[in-house]
Amino acid sequence: QITLKESGLTLVKPTQTLTLTCTFSGFSLSTSGVGVGWIRQPPGKTLEWLALIYWNDDERYSPSLKTRLSITKDTSLNQVVLTMTDMDPVDTATYYCAHADVNFFGSGTYSRWGQGTLVTVSS
Amino acid sequence: SYELTQPPSVSVSPGQTARITCSGDALPKQYGSWYQQKPGQAPVMVIYKDRERPSGIPERFSGSSSGTTVTLTISGVQAEDEADYYCQSPDSSDTYWVFGGGTKLTVL
Repeated sequence: QITLKESGLTLVKPTQTLTLTCTFSGFSLSTSGVGVGWIRQPPGKTLEWLALIYWNDDERYSPSLKTRLSITKDTSLNQVVLTMTDMDPVDTATYYCAHADVNFFGSGTYSRWGQGTLVTVSS
Repeated sequence: SYELTQPPSVSVSPGQTARITCSGDALPKQYGSWYQQKPGQAPVMVIYKDRERPSGIPERFSGSSSGTTVTLTISGVQAEDEADYYCQSPDSSDTYWVFGGGTKLTVL
C-alpha cells in the first residue's frame, strides 16, 4: 500500500525559505519509472504543479517557479525534500506530495497523494 | 506556458450523465488524467492514460480523448460525486506537468 506524508514548518515569514519533507512507503524511488512530485493549492483555489523528481535524479520544475524551487531525494530514507526560497504571503497554500509511475500510469499522472500540509506565510 | 482549459462548473440531476471537458494543445500527443477532490480532502485519481480506470473507482467513471480534448464522463451521477474535478497532462515535450483550472460538479 502506497502512502505519503508531508511534514515541515507550517508558519514561515516573508522572505524566508520553506523546506518540506515527503516521507513515503510502499514503493522505492530507485525503481525505474517512479517519481515523487509536489503540488500546492491556495485556500479555495486550483491545484498548481510545482516539481517532480524521478528515480534517475531527473528533476522537473514549474517554469514560473523554477528559480525558487529545489527538489532532492534520499532513497535510503524514502524521503523527498522540496525547498522554496523567498516566500511571500501569496505562497500560502496546502502543499501536497504525490507518487508517480510513468511506466504504469503514464507521464502526467499522480496515482496517490499525501494528505497535504497547510503552509501559512505571514510576519 | 502550457495551459489546460476546463469549464468552471457543470450541474446535473441525480441519475443523469455528466461530461467534463479539458482542452490543451499537447493532448493529441500526451495522455490526460483526471482527479476528484472533495472539500478538505486530497485529490484522488479517477482516470489515467485518457481512459483507464484504476481499481476501486466505480465503473460509472469513464474517460475519452479526441484531438485536443479529453473528457471525463460520469454516468448515472450520484450525490456523492459532487466534487471538484481536475485534469492533468504533461506539456508537449514532457518537460513539466500542468493541471486544468478545475470544474465544480454540482448534483442538483
